[in-house]
Amino acid sequence: ETGVTQSPTHLIKTRGQQVTLRCSSQSGHNTVSWYQQALGQGPQFIFQYYREEENGRGNFPPRFSGLQFPNYSSELNVNALELDDSALYLCASSSYDPTGELFFGEGSRLTVL
Amino acid sequence: AQSVTQLGSHVSVSEGALVLLRCNYSSSVPPYLFWYVQYPNQGLQLLLKYTSAATLVKGINGFEAEFKKSETSFHLTKPSAHMSDAAEYFCAVSFSGGYQKVTFGTGTKLQVIP
Repeated sequence: ETGVTQSPTHLIKTRGQQVTLRCSSQSGHNTVSWYQQALGQGPQFIFQYYREEENGRGNFPPRFSGLQFPNYSSELNVNALELDDSALYLCASSSYDPTGELFFGEGSRLTVL
Repeated sequence: AQSVTQLGSHVSVSEGALVLLRCNYSSSVPPYLFWYVQYPNQGLQLLLKYTSAATLVKGINGFEAEFKKSETSFHLTKPSAHMSDAAEYFCAVSFSGGYQKVTFGTGTKLQVIP
């Protein structure tokens, strides 16, 4: 059974640039959630994709967008990067079940200069 | 809206001592509650969860937590700390209905002193 993998693991961007982060979900999971974890904070929910559609969103602006593909892998796109976007971005895959476990990848650490 | 509050951003215990990490929740509907652990430079891993069955929940690595509705608490305990328990611990809440949004607390970093 393959776990959740994310790429890239680290990246550095400058203000105003755009970034795409990728996530391969665990086998058998149809739901992908993205979280932002700033330094010293808990993960903050960005959005969730279920069967290729966004079906829930946290308090993040529209410049945060995503996709889910037929194989349930996912992308997180952030446009017009700001310094405060510097964080660890975590992808979690799961079954569509509020009681279910989230299986996290190791994250993509984004630094915006 | 659902939320969790973790009391104490840093907790230090001696090896072999009791571990107690505190979590209080706020929810207008029956909650599902979780504890996750994060080791340095890794993603989060589920320790245990409460989903309205038994109020005392046992998890991995000897951890357990008790759901107390009257106190709106879900504290995490382990009778005897091990060096390998040093990590950051996050309490989280979810609820039935709608999408699977899990709301995390701010975390408690556990230090185990030899």
